[in-house]
Amino acid sequence: EVQLVQSGAEVKKPGESLKISCKASGYSFTSYWIGWVRQMPGKGLEWMGVIYPGDSDTRYRPSFQGRVTISVDKSIDTAYLQWNSLQASDTAIYFCARGPNLNWFDPWGQGTLVTVSS
Amino acid sequence: QSALTQPPSASGSPGQSVTISCTGTSSDVGGFDYVAWYQQHPDEAPKLIIYEVSVRPPGVPDRFSGSKSGNTASLTVSGLQAEDEADYYCSSYAGRNNFGVFGGGTKLTVL
Repeated sequence: EVQLVQSGAEVKKPGESLKISCKASGYSFTSYWIGWVRQMPGKGLEWMGVIYPGDSDTRYRPSFQGRVTISVDKSIDTAYLQWNSLQASDTAIYFCARGPNLNWFDPWGQGTLVTVSS
Repeated sequence: QSALTQPPSASGSPGQSVTISCTGTSSDVGGFDYVAWYQQHPDEAPKLIIYEVSVRPPGVPDRFSGSKSGNTASLTVSGLQAEDEADYYCSSYAGRNNFGVFGGGTKLTVL
């Protein structure tokens, strides 16, 4: 069974750093894109960026470029989303998802709730 | 890259059909046959229900169908059931540098 299992909920203070994970199983990790999607409280879905683990080709939406870093560790079939300095506006649920291309993504991870509050 | 335009809400009674529209531009919806639709129930992850405009993944009921005309894609849910009540998001490929854009989402209510 293809699965993406994300790390647990986080509560952080503004200015702190954070790295959340997305563990893949049931398929060849290096042969599919991994995308990261933000969902702010009560709002819709926003693409943040994508990475192809096979060659680490990484692309960011302009609004997220420089604010987050997407990476992978192929040795453990895991993708990461990282912040160096969180802001209150980063409070959201973050989903990872697998894509055979950049046209559609399935399945999705269960989501990681990140709360940033002083 | 602007979000695709969806109506904020739609509704129908059990057994009826409902169509949700998704309007973009020639740079996304109109330029590629790469529209996908996702269903999201409250407190759950999105689930792919349509890809490449009209293809249903295995396990998705044939009550769900997709189409496209020009810059507007549509999702039709036929024979509405209570469990269809959810948020629905369209997404389109938008070129290498944009890779994808979502619609704002439509809340479907089964009356």
